Amino acid sequence: NAGVTQTPKFQVLKTGQSMTLQCAQDMNHEYMSWYRQDPGMGLRLIHYSVGAGITDQGEVPNGYNVSRSTTEDFPLRLLSAAPSQTSVYFCASREGLGGNYGYTFGSGTRLTVV
Amino acid sequence: AQKITQTQPGMFVQEKEAVTLDCTYDTSDQSYGLFWYKQPSSGEMIFLIYQGSYDEQNATEGRYSLNFQKARKSANLVISASQLGDSAMYFCAMSLTNNFNKFYFGSGTKLNVKP
Repeated sequence: NAGVTQTPKFQVLKTGQSMTLQCAQDMNHEYMSWYRQDPGMGLRLIHYSVGAGITDQGEVPNGYNVSRSTTEDFPLRLLSAAPSQTSVYFCASREGLGGNYGYTFGSGTRLTVV
Repeated sequence: AQKITQTQPGMFVQEKEAVTLDCTYDTSDQSYGLFWYKQPSSGEMIFLIYQGSYDEQNATEGRYSLNFQKARKSANLVISASQLGDSAMYFCAMSLTNNFNKFYFGSGTKLNVKP
């Protein structure tokens, strides 16, 4: 089972560059999310989607865009990279919504903005 | 406001001993789920165990058990017979049934297993 696949695993960007972090899942999960993980701050929700064509902002959405054209794919776009966006990014999906559904995470993308 | 608190930034345990990682949570909702994830140095997040708020028995998954004390709002993870491969960061998390886009993570506990 592939689960949640994220690419790339590592990326270095220059300030002002744009890029897209790819995320795909093969579990037919409707709910997908992007988190960033920073030291001492845990995981913070960037954007989420409850199904194809439906996205919404999380806790820290500024500087990021998402789209969900298919159930499988949920790319995260950095519009103009800033050093503050240096972080580890996780894509995650859930089988359902509610208290008894946990996340399946991708392996993460370590992004450095110089 | 909902919150997950992990008060142990780092812990050491001797190989083959049991260890308890603390987690307390704060919510006024009655229906919620509690999760533990493991993050080894390789970085991926691995689901370990789940406890529903209405589950009467503590969850167990192999060497992992969740000591659920609802009145105290605690959901401690117990790892029995620690192994060197258990050295990792551990995150407690909570999901609310009535607010599905909220999934709260604690700040994590770094566990080091000594040989």
